[in-house]
Amino acid sequence: DVQMTQSPSSLSASVGDRVTITCRSSQSINNYLNWYQQKTGKAPKLLIHGASNLQSGVPSRFSGSGSETDFTLTISSLQPEDFATYYCQQSFSTPRTFGQGTKVGSK
Amino acid sequence: QVRLQESGPGLVKASETLSLTCTVSGGSISGFYWTWIRQPPGKGLEWIGYIDYSGRPYYGRNTNYNPSLKSRVSISLDTSKNQFSLKLTSVTAADTAVYYCAGEVDSTSSIWFDPWGQGTLVTVSS
Repeated sequence: DVQMTQSPSSLSASVGDRVTITCRSSQSINNYLNWYQQKTGKAPKLLIHGASNLQSGVPSRFSGSGSETDFTLTISSLQPEDFATYYCQQSFSTPRTFGQGTKVGSK
Repeated sequence: QVRLQESGPGLVKASETLSLTCTVSGGSISGFYWTWIRQPPGKGLEWIGYIDYSGRPYYGRNTNYNPSLKSRVSISLDTSKNQFSLKLTSVTAADTAVYYCAGEVDSTSSIWFDPWGQGTLVTVSS
C-alpha cells in the first residue's frame, strides 16, 4: 500500500494568513494526488485533483503543487470558512489511501 | 449534477452483516467507479472498495477491495434502481464508522472522488 503522510497534523492560523500543508507519499505517485476539505459532520469536499487542478467552484485562494512523492496545498489568504480538516489522497494505485489529516484551527 | 444518498440500519450487532445502499440521482449511473469509504469517529478516512461501472470495454462490473477487508466485503450494483450496495460480514466494534458512498472519476490525467454522499453512521453493538 502507498502510505500518505501529512504535516503538520494540526495548525493554528488567523484570517488572512497564508497556510501551507504538505503531503508525502511512500513511493512515486506521479501527479495522482487529490486534496479534500472536511468540516465537522460533513462529507469531504474535493478541492484539488491531479495535484494542481482546481475543482470547479472552489475558490482560487486554494492551490496545489508537487509531483512524484512531495505535494503541497496552499491557502493564500485564509478565510473564516476555511477552518476545517484537510486530507490528501493518492489515486495512483489501489488500495486508495489518505493522509491522516491536517486540522486548521483558529489562532 | 449527480447526487448520492446512503441508507441502511444505523445499528448492527457484532458478528452480523452490515448492509448499506447508495442511491444515485440527478444523472447517469454509468461512467463512475462506485466506491465506499468509511471514517471511524474522530479518525481518518479508509477506502473500502469500488465496483467499476465506468463503461470501459471488457471491464464489465469489476470490483476492487481493500485487502484489509477483502475477506468480509462485497459491493454490488443494481442499475435498474440506480443503486449500489455494500455488505460487510462478521462486524466488530472496529467497524463502527461513518460510511460514505462516492463516485470515483477516472479522467485522462487524474482520478478523484466526486460526488460524495452525506454519510451514515453505523454503530456495531455487542
